[in-house]
Amino acid sequence: DIQMTQSPSSLSASVGDRVTISCRASQSVSTYLNWYQQKPGKAPKLLIYAASSLQSGVPSRFSGSGSGTDFTLTISSLQPEDFATYYCQQSFSTLAFGGGTKVEIK
Amino acid sequence: EVQLVESGGGMVKPGGSLRLSCAASGFTFSNAWMSWVRQAPGKGLEWVGRIKSKTDGGTTDYAAPVKGRFTISRDDSKNTLYLQMSSLKTEDTAVYYCTTDRVGFDYWGQGTLVTVSS
Repeated sequence: DIQMTQSPSSLSASVGDRVTISCRASQSVSTYLNWYQQKPGKAPKLLIYAASSLQSGVPSRFSGSGSGTDFTLTISSLQPEDFATYYCQQSFSTLAFGGGTKVEIK
Repeated sequence: EVQLVESGGGMVKPGGSLRLSCAASGFTFSNAWMSWVRQAPGKGLEWVGRIKSKTDGGTTDYAAPVKGRFTISRDDSKNTLYLQMSSLKTEDTAVYYCTTDRVGFDYWGQGTLVTVSS
């Protein structure tokens, strides 16, 4: 099975900061890579699909890039509502999530 | 508006069984692939399994930890997805979400808590 590794597992940032989260697959997943945001007590929300396509209704400060084994989620200017946990997920083979990255207020 | 509403969660003893339901509305359920995703308390997301639409074969796939113990099914006449769980273990304790499974998991229910404890 393909393993998904996110880094860092947590980070502290300030409003207005540019934030990048990495996701690495143990083997190529092409661009079958999605990103989710989850706030405490809530269901996850799809942000990015197919590595770089912005889900409808998601602010344009979120972007995704990468292919093969290395992917990045970027928040260009962190907003107060963006403090949450972010997960990558591959849909190339047996579906699997990364371990998550918690974005906290500095 | 797409709605997914899970039900059937609760407390069960190890070795027991439980069936979760997910009532869907606001989209053509029969055409949708559907998945179950779970989240243990304080932990990350874990994909449980998927069922394809009948037009795509209606087949199921499962994550290794639940294969042989969990069964996903669907009733397109009732717009309802099911997760039959048996031989439950304490490590199955989690919030269980049903999701539409299209380009990513694009719609999610609110989740239902399953607690496996003696």
